[in-house]
Amino acid sequence: AQSVTQPDIHITVSEGASLELRCNYSYGATPYLFWYVQSPGQGLQLLLKYFSGDTLVQGIKGFEAEFKRSQSSFNLRKPSVHWSDAAEYFCAVGTNFGNEKLTFGTGTRLTIIP
Amino acid sequence: KAGVTQTPRYLIKTRGQQVTLSCSPISGHRSVSWYQQTPGQGLQFLFEYFSETQRNKGNFPGRFSGRQFSNSRSEMNVSTLELGDSALYLCASRQLGSGREGSKNIQYFGAGTRLSVL
Repeated sequence: AQSVTQPDIHITVSEGASLELRCNYSYGATPYLFWYVQSPGQGLQLLLKYFSGDTLVQGIKGFEAEFKRSQSSFNLRKPSVHWSDAAEYFCAVGTNFGNEKLTFGTGTRLTIIP
Repeated sequence: KAGVTQTPRYLIKTRGQQVTLSCSPISGHRSVSWYQQTPGQGLQFLFEYFSETQRNKGNFPGRFSGRQFSNSRSEMNVSTLELGDSALYLCASRQLGSGREGSKNIQYFGAGTRLSVL
């Protein structure tokens, strides 16, 4: 069974600083990998996804993530955060056999300080 | 194109009651999945429906059930509510593709229904 670990429960960064959120997954085959963002009281919005090919994927809102098979990681990065990026971020893994079930990490809450 | 619509947005029930939540998928999406989100357990998969059939089920008791209609709309039902059922219930739809048709297998989420059990 697949699993996802997000080791950082809460991260605080200054506005304009760079950001990296960590995600490690466990899955026997090549996974589908996702980052979703959730603002308070809202659902999940897809930031970016990895299915195959180029291991550096670009997403919305200036985010990018890099798939590293050797490290079973899919870390999310942004070069310069904005106050509006404050939210909770979830990494998820789906199977490559239809992706009907996503397994999520526990999430990382991002706080931005002026 | 309209997104995934969940109704109602908020519900308050008492223990022992039952509740039905509704989800309208994105037009053209044939699969609907349900997830429960709680502070303690995080996001957990409940079940997935496609062509009016439950295709996959998570580790939840039989009090949690669902169905899908011919227009792909889905409902989720929880009977005999318990305090621990208080959660945000999220619905996600996907177009559904085969194998590694990744773009068709992206799950898009609704805003959720916040259920409070008193």
